[in-house]
Amino acid sequence: GAVVSQHPSWVICKSGTSVKIECRSLDFQATTMFWYRQFPKQSLMLMATSNEGSKATYEQGVEKDKFLINHASLTLSTLTVTSAHPEDSSFYICSASEPNQETQYFGPGTRLLVL
Amino acid sequence: AQSVTQPDIHITVSEGASLELRCNYSYGATPYLFWYVQSPGQGLQLLLKYFSGDTLVQGIKGFEAEFKRSQSSFNLRKPSVHWSDAAEYFCAVSPANAGNMLTFGGGTRLMVKP
Repeated sequence: GAVVSQHPSWVICKSGTSVKIECRSLDFQATTMFWYRQFPKQSLMLMATSNEGSKATYEQGVEKDKFLINHASLTLSTLTVTSAHPEDSSFYICSASEPNQETQYFGPGTRLLVL
Repeated sequence: AQSVTQPDIHITVSEGASLELRCNYSYGATPYLFWYVQSPGQGLQLLLKYFSGDTLVQGIKGFEAEFKRSQSSFNLRKPSVHWSDAAEYFCAVSPANAGNMLTFGGGTRLMVKP
């Protein structure tokens, strides 16, 4: 149980294009989903927290107009990197937690390379 | 603000040897404590967690961790390491009963010698 998927697993795009990453909880309903960014050989940096049906809460320094997050259902959250630039290249990981549960379950990650 | 320190950036052990990965946290009260493992290019897998009760917690893959309140530590142990245990290990904390906002340590990269 508690499986989280991400799609795509990797994506290469041209600078200036937008990229959408999906995060799905496969066998549970996730009222809260989290988006992290991880640079090579570094720890995870929380970007934003999204609750189903409401606006995401962004961490300080994360541009909400750059990283659009939508949590339209209890099993799906999307992260759209708008007008991507090479500095946005990174490993993006989502996680999800069940209602009233204190454990986050992580997706396999999406590697984004912007050329 | 809460913080998590993993003092060892890299650790190398021989296959079959015992392992201990250190984790220290700074928080005003007893937080919830977690250990996650990340294989290269993969997401994080939960190894074990501590919320309350018995301070020695058993996890998956033969791992265990012990919460020591006096030392603000939650060290991860395994009696006999397998080559497949080579990965990055992250300790994390979250406030108890206050949502599930995780704060991660910097990670410890484990290498296993044959």
